[in-house]
Amino acid sequence: DTEVTQTPKHLVMGMTNKKSLKCEQHMGHRAMYWYKQKAKKPPELMFVYSYEKLSINESVPSRFSPECPNSSLLNLHLHALQPEDSALYLCASSQGLHEQFFGPGTRLTVL
Amino acid sequence: GQNIDQPTEMTATEGAIVQINCTYQTSGFNGLFWYQQHAGEAPTFLSYNVLDGLEEKGRFSSFLSRSKGYSYLLLKELQMKDSASYLCAVADRGSTLGRLYFGRGTQLTVWP
Repeated sequence: DTEVTQTPKHLVMGMTNKKSLKCEQHMGHRAMYWYKQKAKKPPELMFVYSYEKLSINESVPSRFSPECPNSSLLNLHLHALQPEDSALYLCASSQGLHEQFFGPGTRLTVL
Repeated sequence: GQNIDQPTEMTATEGAIVQINCTYQTSGFNGLFWYQQHAGEAPTFLSYNVLDGLEEKGRFSSFLSRSKGYSYLLLKELQMKDSASYLCAVADRGSTLGRLYFGRGTQLTVWP
């Protein structure tokens, strides 16, 4: 299994809602990542988990809260988002310095 | 800091060859990746170079010169499906986590 899966594919939420994005991989990768990507821009790193511990937080606002329940799962909890947070949210995993495998992404729209 | 530069757009015709350049200035270096991304989809891995030279993989090849801070992705026998954004990404030395710094991407359009 060389796939990273993400749910949901699309999400529309209001600024007062609480929602979660989910990511799963079964490749035994020990590093997992959340990226945010706006249209016609490269992915921007948000968080990195290594061995289920948060290793990098790229100064992301607290309205984004990551969670790594186990080595295969990565969540991103969303609360009180702003319209400018609308973007494609990509999850990726890797075995250390090797290539990162990306999931299909969740397209988020904040109204 | 990291500075990765690649052209914003390129066009080519079906069957042709195109070379997408990437220059980088990074505080450390632990390899350079090329990813392909179709609109609305996730990036997919194309190549990885950590030593100088050319890596060939089918219609795609990637070259690296560490002394010049330069890489290129060469696409041969272009097909319409090659129309996509091509992202150059550098892995930072000292990182054990595969932290990548992405260029802004080159949007390639292949015409019939």
